[in-house]
Amino acid sequence: GAVVSQHPSRVICKSGTSVKIECRSLDFQATTMFWYRQFPKQSLMLMATSNEGSKATYEQGVEKDKFLINHASLTLSTLTVTSAHPEDSSFYICRALQGASEQYFGPGTRLTVT
Amino acid sequence: SQELEQSPQSLIVQEGKNLTINCTSSKTLYGLYWYKQKYGEGLIFLMMLQKGGEEKSHEKITAKLDEKKQQSSLHITASQPSHAGTYLCGADYTGGFKTIFGAGTRLFVKA
Repeated sequence: GAVVSQHPSRVICKSGTSVKIECRSLDFQATTMFWYRQFPKQSLMLMATSNEGSKATYEQGVEKDKFLINHASLTLSTLTVTSAHPEDSSFYICRALQGASEQYFGPGTRLTVT
Repeated sequence: SQELEQSPQSLIVQEGKNLTINCTSSKTLYGLYWYKQKYGEGLIFLMMLQKGGEEKSHEKITAKLDEKKQQSSLHITASQPSHAGTYLCGADYTGGFKTIFGAGTRLFVKA
């Protein structure tokens, strides 16, 4: 079946640094990818919708300059957390659409900012 | 999200017992998803419901969507420890897969 990977699976960084998270669709082309974040014991919160070749659409309250999303190809979307702070520590999950009906979640990336 | 309410927040059941988790939307749904998540891991797709009155089953898990397409229930029959985890319902209101998730129901199954 279709697989979506995320890299890295875990990352620890110092406050003030930037971290890039990759989301790849391994055996299909994903025209649309979604990025979610999840705090401990809470549900997923949609951050942004990423379409290949165009600017991402951010949800209300999500800073686009802090969470940079690039969907450069049909198999890769990246989320860069710029100038990370401890409050950015979270579980980040991507979701990729295959065509108009299939969608798959990545395994998630746990970010810890110290 | 206030648009989507899940209940209960958590549930502890004895192995072998049946249980039901509910998901209620304040608006009519285009589609409703059910997922399972183990702590710190990605989401496992269980089922998607789109038609009013639709019911789907996978092994011992059955999900229904009401006729008005505003409420769904997930029913597990004869629960097992492997059913433990967090169950999330996700609502699609526009058909564009921009899914909003409920807060989740944490299920514990006592052996």
